[in-house]
Amino acid sequence: EDKVVQSPLSLVVHEGDTVTLNCSYEVTNFRSLLWYKQEKKAPTFLFMLTSSGIEKKSGRLSSILDKKELFSILNITATQTGDSAIYLCAVDHAGKSTFGDGTTLTVKP
Amino acid sequence: NAGVTQTPKFQVLKTGQSMTLQCAQDMNHEYMSWYRQDPGMGLRLIHYSVGAGITDQGEVPNGYNVSRSTTEDFPLRLLSAAPSQTSVYFCASSRDRYNQPQHFGDGTRLSIL
Repeated sequence: EDKVVQSPLSLVVHEGDTVTLNCSYEVTNFRSLLWYKQEKKAPTFLFMLTSSGIEKKSGRLSSILDKKELFSILNITATQTGDSAIYLCAVDHAGKSTFGDGTTLTVKP
Repeated sequence: NAGVTQTPKFQVLKTGQSMTLQCAQDMNHEYMSWYRQDPGMGLRLIHYSVGAGITDQGEVPNGYNVSRSTTEDFPLRLLSAAPSQTSVYFCASSRDRYNQPQHFGDGTRLSIL
């Protein structure tokens, strides 16, 4: 059975902290791993990773994929209250996507 | 630049009623999909389509039908609503099925009484 597991399920930090979100997967015909941020409504795209060991970076957010160990991490440095959201990991495989249950991040002032 | 548009935004149904959730995209995307999101859970794939005239089942297809007569539209039909179908429904599209990020609509919050 295809499976994507995210940890932790929830996290509370203070502004300025650095956080690491985890995503592990077991799927057939892996194509890519994607991270999305979901605030009040629709998820919005953050990163897509297809190759092992290559870090994707956008401002304070970065992500990397390990295809041998079947996991990815999303790092957020110098967190701000605007980073509070649900972070979703999705794996594209066999032409469709399987999502994890998400990590709810709360950043306190 | 509308992107993915879902209607309605909210709906309350009685058990046994049927309804159609509408989804339209204006980006000429080939791939479209429907997900449901329950509290504390991620998105679960209901049905998807790789192009006009082609649909396939996802992880949780029971109780739902879809059709794709045009590239732009991908409606989701609830045949006989049940309380277990109370959820937030998201429609998404991407350029094709290969290594593309999905663009999501704002969701339809559906309650079945």
